[in-house]
Amino acid sequence: GESVGLHLPTLSVQEGDNSIINCAYSNSASDYFIWYKQESGKGPQFIIDIRSNMDKRQGQRVTVLLNKTVKHLSLQIAATQPGDSAVYFCAEILRDGYALNFGKGTSLLVTP
Amino acid sequence: DAGVIQSPRHEVTEMGQEVTLRCKPISGHNSLFWYRQTMMRGLELLIYFNNNVPIDDSGMPEDRFSAKMPNASFSTLKIQPSEPRDSAVYFCASSNPGQGLETQYFGPGTRLLVL
Repeated sequence: GESVGLHLPTLSVQEGDNSIINCAYSNSASDYFIWYKQESGKGPQFIIDIRSNMDKRQGQRVTVLLNKTVKHLSLQIAATQPGDSAVYFCAEILRDGYALNFGKGTSLLVTP
Repeated sequence: DAGVIQSPRHEVTEMGQEVTLRCKPISGHNSLFWYRQTMMRGLELLIYFNNNVPIDDSGMPEDRFSAKMPNASFSTLKIQPSEPRDSAVYFCASSNPGQGLETQYFGPGTRLLVL
């Protein structure tokens, strides 16, 4: 029979443009958030994290913004490159917890 | 530095057979996690070990699944008997207490196909 798969939201951007990937979470007790990048055939790779007592954190070409009021997390990638093409997951951990609760992911496609 | 090592990278087996997946965490990491990834359910935590002791196995689907960590450098996830619905990518991850429990580093995964 026909299988029904999970269709990931897809963001298509041109090389050199900035990318913004969004994530919503539902648990106000979440204390720690991580963005992971997963390339085809590989495991998730840590990109950047942020604690709930912060609203912004910057890395190399990436910035994570946290809006606790609306329970929203975003990942901004500056000057997107073809190597940035991957599926991006946000993950949350509850206070005093350990398990990563992963979102469904967003597929980023960078076109030349 | 060697990351998390998993073997085999690919496994094809027939329904009813026993499958054993292996993981070597990053040296010095004292927490180890097994995840399963499918298109339908995304990434799911199966079991979590801390200092070789299983802390939370509530994510293990059923009794056909078992996991062990006999020492700090080795863990196995076993499925017996395997079923087609077990087909998925299984990831092992480990974390470094010095960096905080939450920063988990993932292995390349084992792609399991049960026919």
